[in-house]
Formats: sequence, C-alpha cells, structure tokens
Amino acid sequence: AQKITQTQPGMFVQEKEAVTLDCTYDTSDPSYGLFWYKQPSSGEMIFLIYQGSYDQQNATEGRYSLNFQKARKSANLVISASQLGDSAMYFCAMRYWNRDDKIIFGKGTRLHILP
Amino acid sequence: GAVVSQHPSRVICKSGTSVKIECRSLDFQATTMFWYRQFPKQSLMLMATSNEGSKATYEQGVEKDKFLINHASLTLSTLTVTSAHPEDSSFYICSVPGTGKATNEKLFFGSGTQLSVL
Repeated sequence: AQKITQTQPGMFVQEKEAVTLDCTYDTSDPSYGLFWYKQPSSGEMIFLIYQGSYDQQNATEGRYSLNFQKARKSANLVISASQLGDSAMYFCAMRYWNRDDKIIFGKGTRLHILP
Repeated sequence: GAVVSQHPSRVICKSGTSVKIECRSLDFQATTMFWYRQFPKQSLMLMATSNEGSKATYEQGVEKDKFLINHASLTLSTLTVTSAHPEDSSFYICSVPGTGKATNEKLFFGSGTQLSVL
C-alpha cells in the first residue's frame, strides 16, 4: 500500500538555523510526484516545492530545497535560514500520476521557530 | 490571487440540518476536484474525488449518502453534508489539480470550511 511517513510530530529550531523535515514514502509505482505544503494556523495550504520521480536534480525554491533520495524513498525538506514566519504545520504528500491522480498526505510536522 | 475559491469559510449549524460547501476553480477548468477532511492537529484525509459529469469516487469508509458531491460544471464542485451531527464537525478543504506546463504538478487548495455542528 502506498503511504507517506513523517516521523517528527514536532520540532523546535532556533531562528536563522537550517532545519530538515523528514519524509519517507512507500510505493511500487515508478511515476509519482512528491510535494511539501505548509499550513499556518489560518488553515490555508501553501505549496512549497515539488519533485518528480524522474527528476534528476533535487528541487529548490528559494529557501526551500528537497533532498530527494530515490533509492531510500525519502524526500526531506530543507529550510535554510529559518524565520519566525516559518512556524507552521508542514505536510509531505505524494501524487500518483498513473493512478487517478489523487494525492495522499503524511501526518505532518509542527515546526516551531524560536526567536 | 486565489486560484480556488471555497465558501463558506465557517459555518455553524444545528444537528440534523444539511450544509453545502462550494468549491470553484477560478483560473482553469477542472474535470477533477478533491475533497479532504482535517481534524484538529491531524493530517488531511482524502474523502472523495469529484468528477465532472459523473459520479464521485469515494474513499473507503466515507459514507456516500452522508457526503453528497456534485460536480456539475468544469469550475464548480459542491459537498453537501446531509443530516449533520456533531461528529461531522471538522475542517473541510477542496483542491484542484493544476493543468498546463507550469502548474500541472501542483494541487491548488481552497481556503477551507470550518464546520461546527451543535
């Protein structure tokens, strides 16, 4: 069965430090996409970064980068130079391109940035 | 600006009443929309896939008669919680898959609806 695992329910990080949020996935499909979303207390889902299973290079979007290790089936999110506004819930998600396109989410990691 | 519009953002209703939540795709046509449910401090759980012009596909354990989904046009999907009870209180959020070269990998979300059933 396909699933997404985020093993860190909560993290506390000092402002300006880099932080890595873990995500592992399990699938037998060769074609899939991996996402990270941020959900602040307002509830909105903010897209951060995307990595396709066939992409050769790790995705980067500003301060966000995705450490994609396909053999290990991991897709960790790295936030460089963390800011107070980064405090939020972070969800790793996977989309199945060949299987009705639906996206499933991990349980999330609550990130707290300390001043 | 917003790509997906969801209304209402918050609704409080009495037990036994029905509540309709609308999800509109503003920037592109959507043959598929997804409905998720989120309990406090938990993950998003996929409830169903809304298909334009055909029946929705429900995830295992989701009651079809309880959560009615209608996808009558390429820009609008509605979720109706019928005969709502307190256990239906939750955050409901819709999403639309992006299309086109620049956005086809993304899933755009509505702002969500907080349902409270008294």
